[in-house]
Amino acid sequence: DTGVSQNPRHKITKRGQNVTFRCDPISEHNRLYWYRQTLGQGPEFLTYFQNEAQLEKSRLLSDRFSAERPKGSFSTLEIQRTEQGDSAMYLCAIPGGGAGSLSYEQYFGPGTRLTVT
Amino acid sequence: AQKVTQAQTEISVVEKEDVTLDCVYETRDTTYYLFWYKQPPSGELVFLIRRNSFDEQNEISGRYSWNFQKSTSSFNFTITASQVVDSAVYFCALSADAGNMLTFGGGTRLMVKP
Repeated sequence: DTGVSQNPRHKITKRGQNVTFRCDPISEHNRLYWYRQTLGQGPEFLTYFQNEAQLEKSRLLSDRFSAERPKGSFSTLEIQRTEQGDSAMYLCAIPGGGAGSLSYEQYFGPGTRLTVT
Repeated sequence: AQKVTQAQTEISVVEKEDVTLDCVYETRDTTYYLFWYKQPPSGELVFLIRRNSFDEQNEISGRYSWNFQKSTSSFNFTITASQVVDSAVYFCALSADAGNMLTFGGGTRLMVKP
């Protein structure tokens, strides 16, 4: 158990619909990361939060994507007007170590698999 | 920009064989961190090891060993006496600093046959 839960685990949606994913770390962590993994590829960084603040966004994160971490605990990732190219596994990660520490390695949740039909 | 290359997309071995997974990286940072993750068929990414750029000592953990060579920008992973349970996709990753994003390679799918 990595201490990160993600919901839903699977989501099938039709093109053009909006979807929202949620990431819940079990304990408090200053940082929270989102990655996307398409079939047969390694995970790609999307964005990360330091507490409530979104500090960095990848160019992969088009304006259809928005992420929030309103209370510095859980985070949501929303995709508007989904496209077939959005089909992927969306992974949430937290740093190792205690709540206030910045560990080098990251621990990943089980992911949300999105299929856009 | 950082880049991680895992040239071997798929490797198949028979149980008890030794296997080495290659990882080559590119970075302009003088201090950086290298990682290996395992992704079994269940799908969850499992952290295996971190290596700092200023520590070139090789590491062994049971049947796993890691060979970091700064001169060739490589961080290879060897599994000795492979087992069927080692079947998974293995990812090498790179980070510039603590708390920074990870840059992953494309992964190597290892299949260990009985």
